[in-house]
Amino acid sequence: DTAVSQTPKYLVTQMGNDKSIKCEQNLGHDTMYWYKQDSKKFLKIMFSYNNKELIINETVPNRFSPKSPDKAHLNLHINSLELGDSAVYFCASKLGTNTDTQYFGPGTRLTVL
Amino acid sequence: GENVEQHPSTLSVQEGDSAVIKCTYSDSASNYFPWYKQELGKRPQLIIDIRSNVGEKKDQRIAVTLNKTAKHFSLHITETQPEDSAVYFCAASIKSGGSYIPTFGRGTSLIVHP
Repeated sequence: DTAVSQTPKYLVTQMGNDKSIKCEQNLGHDTMYWYKQDSKKFLKIMFSYNNKELIINETVPNRFSPKSPDKAHLNLHINSLELGDSAVYFCASKLGTNTDTQYFGPGTRLTVL
Repeated sequence: GENVEQHPSTLSVQEGDSAVIKCTYSDSASNYFPWYKQELGKRPQLIIDIRSNVGEKKDQRIAVTLNKTAKHFSLHITETQPEDSAVYFCAASIKSGGSYIPTFGRGTSLIVHP
């Protein structure tokens, strides 16, 4: 059940800080995603990334940036945190282009004070 | 961009009843429609999906139907059980490069009373 893992599980920080959330998948998948789920449970894609292309949801502020040190990891960096960034962030991954089943990580609950 | 509407926002049923959740989408380019179940405090998990070249798909007690012309799709759960209680999300996905980019509905909270 740890196929897609995220750290930390909870993150509490002050406005204006810079923070990172890490995501790792051991499924051998080549596409990874970041999603944001707000307090009303609305789920929105932020990024889709494989080693060839990064697709960015145009509504995502440029304070958010994905960084992939290798195929198994996609970390999310957030600069100058704002109150509205408080949410649960989910990482997900999928294999190849012939399947679209995405596997989600357990989520990181970010609280900005 | 794509817009997905999902109804109802809350659905309360008795154990053994059927439950139906409906979604509509706006972009005719969407061609992949997954449904996710999210239990309280847990991650979303894919329960069933359908592609635009298929009208219906079943998996035991769960079925999904798609009407491309009308741009709507539905999730049907039969013989509901208390463990079906969760939030269900539909999504309409457009292929971009090697990935399907989903737009989610706002979710339906299903409550199954024993």
